[in-house]
Amino acid sequence: QQQVRQSPQSLTVWEGETAILNCSYEDSTFDYFPWYHQFPGESPALLIAIRPVSNKKEDGRFTIFFNKREKKFSLHIADSQPGDSATYFCAANQGGSAKLIFGEGTKLTVSS
Amino acid sequence: NAGVIQTPRHKVTGKGQEATLWCEPISGHSAVFWYRQTIVQGLEFLTYFRNQAPIDDSGMPKERFSAQMPNQSHSTLKIQSTQPQDSAVYLCASSFDGNNQAPLFGEGTRLSVL
Repeated sequence: QQQVRQSPQSLTVWEGETAILNCSYEDSTFDYFPWYHQFPGESPALLIAIRPVSNKKEDGRFTIFFNKREKKFSLHIADSQPGDSATYFCAANQGGSAKLIFGEGTKLTVSS
Repeated sequence: NAGVIQTPRHKVTGKGQEATLWCEPISGHSAVFWYRQTIVQGLEFLTYFRNQAPIDDSGMPKERFSAQMPNQSHSTLKIQSTQPQDSAVYLCASSFDGNNQAPLFGEGTRLSVL
């Protein structure tokens, strides 16, 4: 049972464009939503996270947009660089639990 | 500060052998997690501890897998009678207190069962 879904499975953008990665969830008790990125041969690394008290979280070129009503959130990577090429995972956990449920991942390729 | 330390980085076992994977969480972190990553299944939660106590093992296969945290500085994941389908990268992660905090991952142990 997949509780967090990601799309697209893969995405290619040109250098300088904004990459948009999408996630949706089913469980309305989820209340914390981190994004990780993973480079080949490495483990997932925390990128940015949001709690639903906010509908937007920015950190440099990375922005999370959150829509609680539609149970969707997205990661926008502005001015994409070739070094951003990686697999991106969204995740969610339930209030009172530390267990993170991960999406399937989006493989991002930034072409120069 | 050192991150989460996992040993060994790679382990090869024969079918039916036992494998023990080790994890040293970040000092001061009270929540320790085990995940498994494969191409087919993605990132799967296995189990987690808080203050050394097992909290949620809902992702652990019911047979052959066990996890322990005998002290605050290390946790082990043991797989008995390993099978080829156990081949995966096993990731340990830790966070300060668990709730609403994204865990930080170690580099993982790649287990290959021949």
